[in-house]
Amino acid sequence: DVKVTQSSRYLVKRTGEKVFLECVQDMDHENMFWYRQDPGLGLRLIYFSYDVKMKEKGDIPEGYSVSREKKERFSLILESASTNQTSMYLCASSSAGTQIGYTEAFFGQGTRLTVV
Amino acid sequence: GNSVTQMEGPVTLSEEAFLTINCTYTATGYPSLFWYVQYPGEGLQLLLKATKADDKGSNKGFEATYRKETTSFHLEKGSVQVSDSAVYFCALSDDYKLSFGAGTTVTVRA
Repeated sequence: DVKVTQSSRYLVKRTGEKVFLECVQDMDHENMFWYRQDPGLGLRLIYFSYDVKMKEKGDIPEGYSVSREKKERFSLILESASTNQTSMYLCASSSAGTQIGYTEAFFGQGTRLTVV
Repeated sequence: GNSVTQMEGPVTLSEEAFLTINCTYTATGYPSLFWYVQYPGEGLQLLLKATKADDKGSNKGFEATYRKETTSFHLEKGSVQVSDSAVYFCALSDDYKLSFGAGTTVTVRA
């Protein structure tokens, strides 16, 4: 059974803290993603990576950074947490695909982060 | 850029009712289209997909047809069950990134 595992289901952090969200996939996927899910806004892409040590900004990268040192692991970093970063964070992975435009992503359970 | 527009919810239905969730998209290329479902307390999982025009995706009694002429991918189910209560997301991809709609919350009452 394919699996994307996020290190925490729930986190509570203080404003100004540096926060690490970890994600591991066991499917040997090339692509990994971090999304943020907020009511009424759907999922918004923060960052993605298509290879080890490669990363690209998504739609809302401000206040975040990422690290991908190994193929199976993709970390999201909040450099200085703020209350407007309280949200559900979803990690996903997908294969490189064999045809343009066809990419099925597999998601982790999500991490609900609260910044107080 | 790419975008997905879903009908707003929430949607509340009785068991065995017909469900339709509208989804339209804007894309510059030839995207693949997806419906994802998120059950309470769980992550997103793929419900169905279609990779080219006129393809029909189906799974668990749900269906959606890729309509290029109307840029739509509406989700339908003929007879819903309480267990179908979830948030449904329409999504598209024309490379390795997925763009999602806002999600539609569906509640099915017994």
